[in-house]
Amino acid sequence: AQSVTQPDIHITVSEGASLELRCNYSYGATPYLFWYVQSPGQGLQLLLKYFSGDTLVQGIKGFEAEFKRSQSSFNLRKPSVHWSDAAEYFCAVGLTSGTYKYIFGTGTRLKVLA
Amino acid sequence: EPEVTQTPSHQVTQMGQEVILRCVPISNHLYFYWYRQILGQKVEFLVSFYNNEISEKSEIFDDQFSVERPDGSNFTLKIRSTKLEDSAMYFCASSIAVSGEQYFGPGTRLTVT
Repeated sequence: AQSVTQPDIHITVSEGASLELRCNYSYGATPYLFWYVQSPGQGLQLLLKYFSGDTLVQGIKGFEAEFKRSQSSFNLRKPSVHWSDAAEYFCAVGLTSGTYKYIFGTGTRLKVLA
Repeated sequence: EPEVTQTPSHQVTQMGQEVILRCVPISNHLYFYWYRQILGQKVEFLVSFYNNEISEKSEIFDDQFSVERPDGSNFTLKIRSTKLEDSAMYFCASSIAVSGEQYFGPGTRLTVT
């Protein structure tokens, strides 16, 4: 069955430090890949997406993600974290055949220390 | 930029009551979806809808749930007899093509007391 794994439930980093959030998926083909950010009680904001082409994707707020087919991964990175980045981050895959729902990971809650 | 809208932003209802959550998808989109996020948990797919029919539904989407496109602009999710465990954030989404990007609305927070 298709699944998305975000192995880190909580991550704490200091402001200015680099960040990497991990995402692995299980799917027979290459899916569409997304990262969303959610502040408490708020909706989902799309950070970036991968459909095809260049495997390094740039998004908003200085985030980037790299698709690695061999590892079935789509890790999110940011070189220097700001206090306002504290939020929950969800990786999602969009299945590309048979069914077109999104499957979300369980999320990673990011805490930023001043 | 066109966006998906949802009303109300927050709905409080008593257990056993019927609720209707409303969504206005992007105008030229043809595929519509509902997702649910229980507090502190991940977002889960409920149902997809195309051409006035349900395309797919999850095991969560039981007989208490129904969806409808009553006119050319609205897409609704009805819960017939709400339970405490229906308390969640409900997200509507739409896409122009079956495998196209889904655009999410801001969500409706449903609280069942």
